[in-house]
Amino acid sequence: GAVVSQHPSRVICKSGTSVKIECRSLDFQATTMFWYRQFPKKSLMLMATSNEGSKATYEQGVEKDKFLINHASLTLSTLTVTSAHPEDSSFYICSGNGGQDTQYFGPGTRLTVL
Amino acid sequence: KQEVTQIPAALSVPEGENLVLNCSFTDSAIYNLQWFRQDPGKGLTSLLLIQSSQREQTSGRLNASLDKSSGRSTLYIAASQPGDSATYLCAVEMDSSYKLIFGSGTRLLVRP
Repeated sequence: GAVVSQHPSRVICKSGTSVKIECRSLDFQATTMFWYRQFPKKSLMLMATSNEGSKATYEQGVEKDKFLINHASLTLSTLTVTSAHPEDSSFYICSGNGGQDTQYFGPGTRLTVL
Repeated sequence: KQEVTQIPAALSVPEGENLVLNCSFTDSAIYNLQWFRQDPGKGLTSLLLIQSSQREQTSGRLNASLDKSSGRSTLYIAASQPGDSATYLCAVEMDSSYKLIFGSGTRLLVRP
């Protein structure tokens, strides 16, 4: 199947700083990418839908000014967690649509905010 | 609002057993349903996708069924192996937007 990469795989930051997570589709073009967050032993919750060249669509309850999403090209979407706090510590996973109802998921980024 | 539930939350079985994982959803008007596997600290791997018009899909030792009218799906794993140990997630898609609504998963441990 197609490959989606995420960078970094792990990040530890201090409270109040911003962290950028990159999601890349390596061998396909994704017009739409999705960002999920997952708390320990919980399911994935969709945060936002990222459309190439346009503004992201955020799910209810997700602060768009805190979780900045940029989808500048068909192979790259970035999620920036601004002014991170300990409660933002989570596992962030992106996915890209590969056509024909297929989504390919990245390996995830574990964010720890101290 | 669609809600997806998976039972049991955790399951431990000896190697070689056949097992069934359950998924239920409250709104039967789904576009499709998928089963995923997630290894600890990793992303997701798609196992099976069932379109709303289909009743089952098979891949190797895995068989997934869908009863849309009753809002249920099952994932059957035959002759389980320790390598099957992972968290299994089901997710539904309500339209062709690719947006997935996930269940909370079943953590499976297959003991050697």
